Amino acid sequence: SAVISQKPSRDICQRGTSLTIQCQVDSQVTMMFWYRQQPGQSLTLIATANQGSEATYESGFVIDKFPISRPNLTFSTLTVSNMSPEDSSIYLCSVEGDTANYGYTFGSGTRLTVV
Amino acid sequence: DAKTTQPPSMDCAEGRAANLPCNHSTISGNEYVYWYRQIHSQGPQYIIHGLKNNETNEMASLIITEDRKSSTLILPHATLRDTAVYYCIVRLRRGGTSYGKLTFGQGTILTVHP
Repeated sequence: SAVISQKPSRDICQRGTSLTIQCQVDSQVTMMFWYRQQPGQSLTLIATANQGSEATYESGFVIDKFPISRPNLTFSTLTVSNMSPEDSSIYLCSVEGDTANYGYTFGSGTRLTVV
Repeated sequence: DAKTTQPPSMDCAEGRAANLPCNHSTISGNEYVYWYRQIHSQGPQYIIHGLKNNETNEMASLIITEDRKSSTLILPHATLRDTAVYYCIVRLRRGGTSYGKLTFGQGTILTVHP
């Protein structure tokens, strides 16, 4: 299965600033997914990122707050903009498995704390 | 995607089988049942998936009822390292309009004790 490298693994940021999270995959993938996991909660899908097109955002998430780039088939970034303490969460990227209908692989996540 | 219902927590003794149930009564014919687990501070890990037949791999077995409205994940010999949150997810087959999206519920916190 694909191997995902996600950076940074954790960060502490000041409110009002922005953080860009990187997700690098060791193979080419069509779709990449970004999730948020708030403290003590389950994962919530933020958006789906396809190479060469605008990301598709889920209800409750907007591009101005969470801009996403997908410059090629192995890389994506998620920016958390104008951060507030409510943005403190774990952010994870995910890609589809190697073959049809296989499981998805997740990165180890970025633990963000906004102070 | 169909909604799933899981018990919030379960306990299991080390070395015994852990049987984790999941209800997905509104599952449609083109949706698979997937199981993932998340060990503390790590990303979710794929375990197994199935459509209507029982499945087994090196990690676990998946038993799906004949009407497909519920399933059970079986860890045959649980170890302390199996302590995690287990998520049951139903997902469209390739080609569906929501293909690729995984909708996570709250999952079951499995605690394996010595």
